[in-house]
Amino acid sequence: QALLQESGPRVVKPSETLSLDCTVSGASVSSAESFWTWIRQPPGKGLEWIGYGFDTDNASYNSSLKSRATISLDTSRNQFSLTLTSVTAADTAVYYCARGGMIDGFVFDPWGQGTLVTVSS
Amino acid sequence: DIQLTQSPSHVSASVGDTVTISCRASQDFVTSLAWYQQKPGRAPKLLIYAASTLHSGVPSRFSGSGSGTDFTLTITSLQPDDFATYSCQQSHRHPLTFGGGTKVDIK
Repeated sequence: QALLQESGPRVVKPSETLSLDCTVSGASVSSAESFWTWIRQPPGKGLEWIGYGFDTDNASYNSSLKSRATISLDTSRNQFSLTLTSVTAADTAVYYCARGGMIDGFVFDPWGQGTLVTVSS
Repeated sequence: DIQLTQSPSHVSASVGDTVTISCRASQDFVTSLAWYQQKPGRAPKLLIYAASTLHSGVPSRFSGSGSGTDFTLTITSLQPDDFATYSCQQSHRHPLTFGGGTKVDIK
């Protein structure tokens, strides 16, 4: 059973770049069947799919983020990362990493426990 | 984008009750729907996928049904561990989208 754990700064200043890592154990980010995914949840709101990386250097994103998001896979460290540029208060959220592709297409399991990132000066 | 509307947004129930949560979609997508359970500070858990398939290790008191645009999560004989927030997700079309969540708390 794979385990995922998010890490990164908890506070980011407006207009700066948010960077998070997800460390994977019990599975390989090189897995061809997997979609290594980021999802977020603003306080009091529903979940929002950000995007996923797959096949080492491919990715798919939610267009609502207007090309601010980049997901990359690091096979040497068995991690994947999220960068989100030009952040605003609207980007304040709990950020989750998750694995897709192993159950039924774009269904996510397991998830990390999430990390709250606050955008504030 | 496919919008998912969950109802109710909040339900108060007692141990032993049966709880039913609805997820209505803005477009027909057959059975590409999953349900997740969330608790504060913990990793969300997959409960059901393909509308009605119980994920491995999930208790049988959880069940899912529906197709097209109307889906339901049912929890029979509610247990103390089931007080949580439940969210639906469509996996039919990008962008992948979630419902707004339904919080189940103790009456």
